[in-house]
Amino acid sequence: ILNVEQSPQSLHVQEGDSTNFTCSFPSSNFYALHWYRWETAKSPEALFVMTLNGDEKKKGRISATLNTKEGYSYLYIKGSQPEDSATYLCLQYGSGTYKYIFGTGTRLKVLA
Amino acid sequence: GAVVSQHPSWVICKSGTSVKIECRSLDFQATTMFWYRQFPKQSLMLMATSNEGSKATYEQGVEKDKFLINHASLTLSTLTVTSAHPEDSSFYICSANRQNSGANVLTFGAGSRLTVL
Repeated sequence: ILNVEQSPQSLHVQEGDSTNFTCSFPSSNFYALHWYRWETAKSPEALFVMTLNGDEKKKGRISATLNTKEGYSYLYIKGSQPEDSATYLCLQYGSGTYKYIFGTGTRLKVLA
Repeated sequence: GAVVSQHPSWVICKSGTSVKIECRSLDFQATTMFWYRQFPKQSLMLMATSNEGSKATYEQGVEKDKFLINHASLTLSTLTVTSAHPEDSSFYICSANRQNSGANVLTFGAGSRLTVL
């Protein structure tokens, strides 16, 4: 994998459902993986910064895991609420490139 | 928390005019700011890295004479799209690097949508 890829591109879930999405990234020269939540007309908001293989972070109903050896991170939302509707972006910071590379985002819509 | 104020949010201009977008860090000093552009259904693409008091570093394929970046203070960076043309219509967003609990975190502006007629 040369780019940061996110899947699915978009999804609709019912209120109360749990959901998860994937970020795949180059595993070589890995330094850090960031997750952001981006609501329309607002600034992207930092959720997690993850650096260690096997890392798992949690913030309320949202959690994320990291596998740097195989190059993927999962973001989980438990009991989705309409206010969780947003685009979830992941970005990787590479120790070789010293740059942030963005995924295209997963657009989540939670239906009441 | 840390905030980056970006304006204008929306701008419509005639072809050939120049447009300035400002990003201001409100409660922290931003020695480095990044400028990105996003076309529909694509990722945010880094255009340039702006460092306070020095020349910006542009990514390959980004014309530095077209997209002028100025970072004259620790709290303000500006992007000027000179002689804008319809193909410059895009979403532009800035971010600043800051330390939070030992990790580098990007703080973003809310973005500026430019439409060139």
